[in-house]
Amino acid sequence: SQQGEEDPQALSIQEGENATMNCSYKTSINNLQWYRQNSGRGLVHLILIRSNEREKHSGRLRVTLDTSKKSSSLLITASRAADTASYFCATDAPREYGNKLVFGAGTILRVKS
Amino acid sequence: DAGVIQSPRHEVTEMGQEVTLRCKPISGHDYLFWYRQTMMRGLELLIYFNNNVPIDDSGMPEDRFSAKMPNASFSTLKIQPSEPRDSAVYFCASTGWGTGYSPLHFGNGTRLTVT
Repeated sequence: SQQGEEDPQALSIQEGENATMNCSYKTSINNLQWYRQNSGRGLVHLILIRSNEREKHSGRLRVTLDTSKKSSSLLITASRAADTASYFCATDAPREYGNKLVFGAGTILRVKS
Repeated sequence: DAGVIQSPRHEVTEMGQEVTLRCKPISGHDYLFWYRQTMMRGLELLIYFNNNVPIDDSGMPEDRFSAKMPNASFSTLKIQPSEPRDSAVYFCASTGWGTGYSPLHFGNGTRLTVT
């Protein structure tokens, strides 16, 4: 099964509102990454947070990591129509799983203008 | 930088035919990954290379799938013979450091339809 699972599966908000997406995972990690995928395109890296970090910011993005709960959240503030996309969390699997980056199922975000 | 380049963007073929997908990673990146994306299974890692050597191919679904990286600037994923269940979007990605330590750079994918 997938290492990371996003919640919710889909989210629809109005432009200007904040969007929060959550990711849960099962094993210990070295770091967790968030990616965005626009329709018909490849994934684009957004932010990487290491296991010893609790929060990280990048522009309108804020990521938190709680290793005790094995969960992370991605907050997009003041959303724009251009933020409409699918968002994926990815965790590096432990060495016994081959040090692979494993992606969750994703959250589909729709921002209505 | 041109980014990761994949070709073709779309491929439609009939069951039983051979399909070859191509990827040019970002120059200087030592790691190359092939992923497959479907609605049912999400993003699955098929195989990855380090310095042109296949490191982990445990995600390759069957012997019908094979991947090569003859040099640092080119990789292929071949399906022979193709089946309708192989229909998916196939992504190539590269990174300069080990997996999990630096972000992956993805190409725009090849959408494969097998009829």
